[in-house]
Amino acid sequence: EVQLVESGGGLVQPGGSLRLSCVGSGFSFSTYEMNWVRQAPGRGLEWVSYISDHSRLLLYTDSVKGRFTISRDNAKNTLYLQMNSLRAEDTGVYYCASLELRPPMDVWGQGTTVTVSS
Amino acid sequence: EVVMTQSPLSLPVTLGQPASISCRSSQSLVHTDGITYLNWFQQRPGQSPRRLIYQVSRRDSGVPDRFSGSGSGTDFTLKISRVEAEDVCVYYCMQGTHWRSFGQGTKLEIK
Repeated sequence: EVQLVESGGGLVQPGGSLRLSCVGSGFSFSTYEMNWVRQAPGRGLEWVSYISDHSRLLLYTDSVKGRFTISRDNAKNTLYLQMNSLRAEDTGVYYCASLELRPPMDVWGQGTTVTVSS
Repeated sequence: EVVMTQSPLSLPVTLGQPASISCRSSQSLVHTDGITYLNWFQQRPGQSPRRLIYQVSRRDSGVPDRFSGSGSGTDFTLKISRVEAEDVCVYYCMQGTHWRSFGQGTKLEIK
């Protein structure tokens, strides 16, 4: 079965840090470009960060530049998002996703919830 | 940054009737390779998004043929030929030509 499973979310105070993980299985993880997408409560989808298949290219949305770091370990089929200096506006469900533009498939995780609050 | 604008943001629908969602981009989505990278996603309540359409009009495996995508350049449309109860949820367009960005989402609701 093709799947992505996120973990690492939780409640953190403003200014704190969290590290999200996403483990892929059932497909050739190392050949897929990967992304983090978030969804604030009751809001739409927001692309957060991108990493190429062999980590040569990293991209971030402006609001997280300098605070978030995306990385991956293809030997472990795992994607990461290190989130520092967290703000209330970072609250939401974080999905790892391939956001694939071609066939045969696009893969999303079930999401992990991050809540930034004092 | 490419801005994706969907309309309407809320769409009252009648089961069995057609529905149409518009998505416009702030710049052309034709890539230098000649392909237009425009996806449509469906998100049911409490679920992760699911890709329905890629490259403007190509349906993913398992997607009912009542869903169709069309458009070119900066102007795109998702059509549902006959809305079923399971289709009442939120739909997003996403461009992949200039990295990635999503539309705001369109919520289908029963009229």
